[in-house]
Amino acid sequence: QKEVEQDPGPLSVPEGAIVSLNCTYSNSAFQYFMWYRQYSRKGPELLMYTYSSGNKEDGRFTAQVDKSSKYISLFIRDSQPSDSATYLCAMKPGGSEKLVFGKGTKLTVNP
Amino acid sequence: NAGVTQTPKFRVLKTGQSMTLLCAQDMNHEYMYWYRQDPGMGLRLIHYSVGEGTTAKGEVPDGYNVSRLKKQNFLLGLESAAPSQTSVYFCASSRKSGGSAYIQYFGAGTRLSVL
Repeated sequence: QKEVEQDPGPLSVPEGAIVSLNCTYSNSAFQYFMWYRQYSRKGPELLMYTYSSGNKEDGRFTAQVDKSSKYISLFIRDSQPSDSATYLCAMKPGGSEKLVFGKGTKLTVNP
Repeated sequence: NAGVTQTPKFRVLKTGQSMTLLCAQDMNHEYMYWYRQDPGMGLRLIHYSVGEGTTAKGEVPDGYNVSRLKKQNFLLGLESAAPSQTSVYFCASSRKSGGSAYIQYFGAGTRLSVL
């Protein structure tokens, strides 16, 4: 079993839809959880991050962490064509220098 | 406002040639990383460094060497390029400590083709 599992998609939705992106993980030591967004032919950029369990909201984006289920989610409300990108989850245990990335989910929002 | 800068942006090599990829960061970060990204494989860590003069192997280190002679620079070398090293290479950096120490900042990438 891989440490981090992420459905690669692709995922195609109409503009205005609510998008749910998810990752599962197996390492109970993970404490820091991140979502990166990567536009085509660009480097990943940090979108959201959370420490331990709970929710975090930033505009149209909400990140959720459920440590009991080893499951993290990113919700995008009122999706826009500009949200079309690959979304990568990333996580790490405390005290480690390294992140463990999911393989990414490619999202297309159609106008 | 440069952040993490990678050079070159594109390169085509012949099998057996050597080259060095340069990563420079202006955020005074202690940690630096080299990843490769291939379709269906996600980001895979090649080598990383926790400080000037120190390097460590990541998940896929074979065929690559690195050096960190200055805190702001991290070099990735291919001594004898192989077609299997065709990929997009990303450099990243992060702080050692503080509230956001786990956040890695990425460069724009280097697209390498080995023929």
